[in-house]
Amino acid sequence: QSVLTQPPSVSAAPGQRVTISCSGSSSNIGNDYVSWYQQLPGTAPKVLIYDNNKRPSGIPDRFSGSKSGTSATLGITGLQTGDEADYYCGTWDSSLSAVVFGGGTTLTVL
Amino acid sequence: EVQVVESGGGLVQPGGSLRLSCSVSGFTLSDHYMDWVRQAPGKGLEWVGRTRNKPKGYTTDYAASVKGRFTVSRDDSKTLVHLQMNGLKTEDTAVYYCIRVTAGAGHYFDNWGQGTLVTVSS
Repeated sequence: QSVLTQPPSVSAAPGQRVTISCSGSSSNIGNDYVSWYQQLPGTAPKVLIYDNNKRPSGIPDRFSGSKSGTSATLGITGLQTGDEADYYCGTWDSSLSAVVFGGGTTLTVL
Repeated sequence: EVQVVESGGGLVQPGGSLRLSCSVSGFTLSDHYMDWVRQAPGKGLEWVGRTRNKPKGYTTDYAASVKGRFTVSRDDSKTLVHLQMNGLKTEDTAVYYCIRVTAGAGHYFDNWGQGTLVTVSS
């Protein structure tokens, strides 16, 4: 059971938009910044979004992040088959003194 | 170019020990926190532990599941980070990633190693 809650899977057609939610509590998302990671099959994760809504250089603006209260959301527009991957949210939990992740969401581009 | 490369994985019996190493280059290690995250086969990401940077006194934190059994250490002069794993259990079987942590407003994992597989089995 992960501390952060994500839907196990989402799907959408190429070119469409999808959002992935990440729900936490006042000791984690409500108290710190959220980052998002993409893990393509057979590879190490890479950062997509940090500080709730910032993109590292090289990440296209099709990817966006937002946070409100104790929840965060990753948005992906203009879906491509290459976006099929597992997506994870993460943040620091001040009560646990630990980094916590969501359970991961598998994106399928139909 | 930032590089993070793990080594030391392998097969170990339950109750045994293993030491993972992480060699880094392309940045000043003493400026950064370094974390370990693991991923059991077919499962999600699980944070293992952290060593903070020199300004933060090289303090460490651990996940409850490994506290007292695992130790993260670092040698900035040799640009190495280590994960000493003792009292290994079958549930510790996973790919272990060494990760550079960067500070923005918060902290995030900006450079991941390729991972090293640890299998705990008799």
